[in-house]
Amino acid sequence: SQQGEEDPQALSIQEGENATMNCSYKTSINNLQWYRQNSGRGLVHLILIRSNEREKHSGRLRVTLDTSKKSSSLLITASRAADTASYFCATDAVGGADGLTFGKGTHLIIQP
Amino acid sequence: SQTIHQWPATLVQPVGSPLSLECTVEGTSNPNLYWYRQAAGRGLQLLFYSVGIGQISSEVPQNLSASRPQDRQFILSSKKLLLSDSGFYLCAWSPRRWETQYFGPGTRLLVL
Repeated sequence: SQQGEEDPQALSIQEGENATMNCSYKTSINNLQWYRQNSGRGLVHLILIRSNEREKHSGRLRVTLDTSKKSSSLLITASRAADTASYFCATDAVGGADGLTFGKGTHLIIQP
Repeated sequence: SQTIHQWPATLVQPVGSPLSLECTVEGTSNPNLYWYRQAAGRGLQLLFYSVGIGQISSEVPQNLSASRPQDRQFILSSKKLLLSDSGFYLCAWSPRRWETQYFGPGTRLLVL
């Protein structure tokens, strides 16, 4: 079953603007990961944030985690056309299978 | 550095035919290995995972099976394909549980 649910399902912004995507999940987690998928390609890992962390940065990416609300957000600052892709959150649930549970993703389009 | 390979990249098979997809990892030992399937426009669903040679866990009942004959080789098989087996199959590895999973380029399977 789907654990993470991304919001919005689709997002279109102008190049240079910031993009924010949200993820909600249902059960307690060990960690949450964000991935990017370009059309028809494999997944590229972006950031892993553990359940005892609240915020993490990597370049233009900023991820927050609120375990009390069971939610996470991914912020991409100063967006570029190359950021156009689908973004997925994936959770590693406490007591769950040794694998990730993915949401349906947010499709991000950066308009030049 | 570690790399993960999948082949073939694309496969078109008739209903009822057998299937064998292969995944190999280089540059690491005793990885955790995973098979996921992505239906069109959806997130990924965990199919199988393996923590060692000959150790396979299945997450969903289905027409598929997996095997791990060598430490860094993971095979997805079917004796008779169904139309519903069509999708994008992704293999992933991680150094241990609760760590980042790294994905291969995927195999696109179309069953006709």
